[in-house]
Amino acid sequence: ETGVTQSPTHLIKTRGQQVTLRCSSQSGHNTVSWYQQALGQGPQFIFQYYREEENGRGNFPPRFSGLQFPNYSSELNVNALELDDSALYLCASSSSGLENSPLHFGNGTRLTVT
Amino acid sequence: GENVEQHPSTLSVQEGDSAVIKCTYSDSASNYFPWYKQELGKRPQLIIDIRSNVGEKKDQRIAVTLNKTAKHFSLHITETQPEDSAVYFCAAPTGKLIFGQGTTLQVKP
Repeated sequence: ETGVTQSPTHLIKTRGQQVTLRCSSQSGHNTVSWYQQALGQGPQFIFQYYREEENGRGNFPPRFSGLQFPNYSSELNVNALELDDSALYLCASSSSGLENSPLHFGNGTRLTVT
Repeated sequence: GENVEQHPSTLSVQEGDSAVIKCTYSDSASNYFPWYKQELGKRPQLIIDIRSNVGEKKDQRIAVTLNKTAKHFSLHITETQPEDSAVYFCAAPTGKLIFGQGTTLQVKP
């Protein structure tokens, strides 16, 4: 069984730039959720994709967008980067789009915006 | 909006003692309550979860209790060991899975 993998592991960007983060879901999982984790905080829900459609969104501005592909892998795109976007971005996959389905997390992408 | 409150934010215990972390949630429709452990620099990992049709679930030294009337649930770790030191997160579904702010547990040898 292949777990959730994320790339890249670390990234440094400049304010105003754009970034794309990638996630491969665990085999057999059709749902991907993205979370932002600031230092010392709990993961904050960004959005979820189920069978290639957005299936819920947290309190994040439209410059945070995503995609899910037919193989259920996913991308998180952030435009017009701000300093406060510096955080660990976690991808989690699950076996259904239901809110009571256990999440399996990747190791995350550490984004630093300077 | 709907949220999940977690207490305490930090907890220090002696090896062998018990540790208890509590969470409250606001959405009465929530029916699934997982706990995650996150070691420094690592991913959050599910350690135990409970669904609303039971009041308690145990897995070796770890147990979770749920009080749906009061809308709170707790993580209990008995016979703590140094390797239990980590940040623990509770979560509850309010549309999607929402996490508490975390409890940093330190187990002193």
